[in-house]
Parts: sequence; C-alpha cells; structure tokens
Amino acid sequence: DAGVTQSPTHLIKTRGQQVTLRCSPISGHKSVSWYQQVLGQGPQFIFQYYEKEERGRGNFPDRFSARQFPNYSSELNVNALLLGDSALYLCASSFTGGIFETQYFGPGTRLLVL
Amino acid sequence: KQEVTQIPAALSVPEGENLVLNCSFTDSAIYNLQWFRQDPGKGLTSLLLIQSSQREQTSGRLNASLDKSSGRSTLYIAASQPGDSATYLCAVNEGAQKLVFGQGTRLTINP
Repeated sequence: DAGVTQSPTHLIKTRGQQVTLRCSPISGHKSVSWYQQVLGQGPQFIFQYYEKEERGRGNFPDRFSARQFPNYSSELNVNALLLGDSALYLCASSFTGGIFETQYFGPGTRLLVL
Repeated sequence: KQEVTQIPAALSVPEGENLVLNCSFTDSAIYNLQWFRQDPGKGLTSLLLIQSSQREQTSGRLNASLDKSSGRSTLYIAASQPGDSATYLCAVNEGAQKLVFGQGTRLTINP
C-alpha cells in the first residue's frame, strides 16, 4: 500500500510569491494534518482537516491556509512568502484524526524562499 | 503552553551499546506520546505510541516509557546498530491530533 505522498518534493520561490503544496493521504484515511519543520527544529503544527472541515489550527499567520477535497487529499497554500517560510512541510494522515490514532507522515516538501 | 524538551541534543556511541534518549514535557494533560525517527532530509517514521494510561510500549529493540505525572518519557534502544543513526523526535498529543514536538536528539552509532 502506498504511504502518504506529497508533491512537489522540492520548490524554490522568491519573497512575495505564493505557493501550493499537495498531499495525498493513505488510502482509507480521512484526516490530514500539516506541519512546518524549520532546519534544526522539531515540526510545528499548522492545520488539521477531517472530512473537509478544519479541526485544528496552530499559531501561524493568515498567510497560511489549507483545504481538503472530497477524495481526502489536501492542499496547503502560503501567500506573500517570507524568507522565514523556508522549511520542510510535512503532511500526516490518520483514519479519523482521533486522539488515539497514530499519524503517518509523508516525505515532505522542501521549500526554499530566496 | 506545552513545551517539549529532548536531552541530549546529540549523542554518539559505539555499535552494540544500549542507550537512553530522554524527553520531558511541561503539561501533563496529554492524550498520548509518540516517538519518531527522522533520517536526514526525510519525513518522520513512527516508532512507538504510548497512550496516557499506559506506562510503556515495546517494539523489537526499542522500549519507550511514560511517566505522565513527572512529565517524562524515555526511549531505550538495545544493542545499537549503525542503521539506528538518525534524529529521534518525541511528540505529545494535546488533542485534535495536534502534536507538540521536541527538537530531537541526533544519534550517531559508530561501527
């Protein structure tokens, strides 16, 4: 079975641009979460979506937004990119997003903002 | 605000040694704690998940313990191998699958 997939694997943007990152969860999983991992740090929670509804949001500015589609895939959008947005963006999925479930992470999208 | 700390930040040991990685958290109101492994430039691989009502979990050479009242968890790795070299992250679940991560321990096993 395929794991969580993310695209693209790498991305280079310039300050002020907008970026869209994509995530496909494990088949059967309905919950998707997004994390940002700056180099040398642990991941930070950005969003969780379940059944197309936002279930949780971390301490990130409104430049960050996300959505989930009927097939449970998800997109993370970041507007007006800043140098500090350079990071590895990780997507994780689970069956229902329940508190007792393991989250399975994808390989991430590495974003570099110049 | 929950804070998760991992000590040490880096650890280098010879192959075959048993070792312990430490994780502490400031707020004991957690649902579970999870240990992950991350290889350079890659995503996270879940190693062990301990529910708040449990004291420990084991998988092969790995054993994780949880003491919620004192805000501590340890990951014990037995008979370390060079393939165990990676960054190990612990994360606590505060609900809605919001994981709060530590900064990780970078482990190097020397052949």
